[in-house]
This record gives sequence, C-alpha cells and structure tokens, in this order.
Amino acid sequence: DARVTQTPRHKVTEMGQEVTMRCQPILGHNTVFWYRQTMMQGLELLAYFRNRAPLDDSGMPKDRFSAEMPDATLATLKIQPSEPRDSAVYFCASGSPPVDTQYFGPGTRLTVL
Amino acid sequence: KNEVEQSPQNLTAQEGEFITINCSYSVGISALHWLQQHPGGGIVSLFMLSSGKKKHGRLIATINIQEKHSSLHITASHPRDSAVYICAVRTGNQFYFGTGTSLTVIP
Repeated sequence: DARVTQTPRHKVTEMGQEVTMRCQPILGHNTVFWYRQTMMQGLELLAYFRNRAPLDDSGMPKDRFSAEMPDATLATLKIQPSEPRDSAVYFCASGSPPVDTQYFGPGTRLTVL
Repeated sequence: KNEVEQSPQNLTAQEGEFITINCSYSVGISALHWLQQHPGGGIVSLFMLSSGKKKHGRLIATINIQEKHSSLHITASHPRDSAVYICAVRTGNQFYFGTGTSLTVIP
C-alpha cells in the first residue's frame, strides 16, 4: 500500500556537519510538509510545498535550514551547519487537496552531538 | 499564550469507557486536524474538520466554530487506543499544534 518514505530513519552526527533528510511523498500527492518534533516544543511545522513550490517556510530557521523539492517524487530538508539543538524527530507528510488528509512518514530521528 | 490548548494533558481510562479529549483554539481557522501518535512514534491523521461532526469507527470528532472548540470522542475504548492525540489548526498557511493528550487505556 502507498506510504510516505523517509531516509535515513536515524542519523547521528557531530555539530557543524551537514545533514540531509529525504522524503518520498505518496505518488500523486502534490502537497508536502516538513515537521519537527521535540519533547520541549512538541510538533512544529517547518515548511510546506504545493506542486513543488514553497507555500510557507516561516517555521524554519533560514540561516541553517533549507527545504527543496527537486522533483515531484523527492523532498529534501538540509541543515548546514547542524547544532545540538537541532536534535529532534523530523517528519515528512504528504497530501492532496481538496481532502487534505496528511499521511505521515515514519520520521528521521536526528541526534547532533 | 498558545494558540491551541488541549485538555486533559494525561488521561487514564478503563477498557470500555467513553473518552473525550478537548481542544480550544484562539485563532480563526480554515481547518482543524486530529492526529494520533502511537507509542512507537508513528503519526496518523484521524480527522480533518472545518465544521460539524465526523465519525470513523469508534472515533467521533466534533467542532464548534463559534466557540472555537473541538472534541475527540472514543467510544468503547480499547488498550490499542493508547496513544498521544494531537489537535492542530490551520489558519492560512500557518499550522498551530496542541501539546497533545496522552491516553492510556487499561485492560
């Protein structure tokens, strides 16, 4: 059955390194969301795209984070340079109007040492 | 002040009980979502509401736009309903999230 996939599932890296997280939305979905979840802040929306164009990325620290959709089957979230406070689980979700139900990927658990 | 407030924060129920989780919000919204996060971390979207009521199996979600309030009800609760339930509202291109209600259903 169709599902959102995310890679890697786990990532441990050192402070200052670049991190790239990938998401493959469900085929046919034209809306992609990136979320971050921490114990302290809960779920936060970082950015979202419709038809590959960014609709909102106001939740994303612009100086170090970037989100792109090189094509309809791939969304990427990059952090450069990474910092310990970026340690979190990053979820990708996809959906399609008008129903707009979001289907979540399994998440990438990032630890920055 | 949080745009979305959920209550209760934690809830323990006996199997078979009727459960209600509440969500209040302070912004004008275009839609409200109820999410379920399993103990393993996976997130499932349960409902998206903009008015009225929706039902799926033992789950019922209602929303009162005038009162800026939504409720998620679980009838005949079961241990597999144990999860964190998160309310999220959409206003324009912004999403705001509640801190979640942790539900434990005891057999």
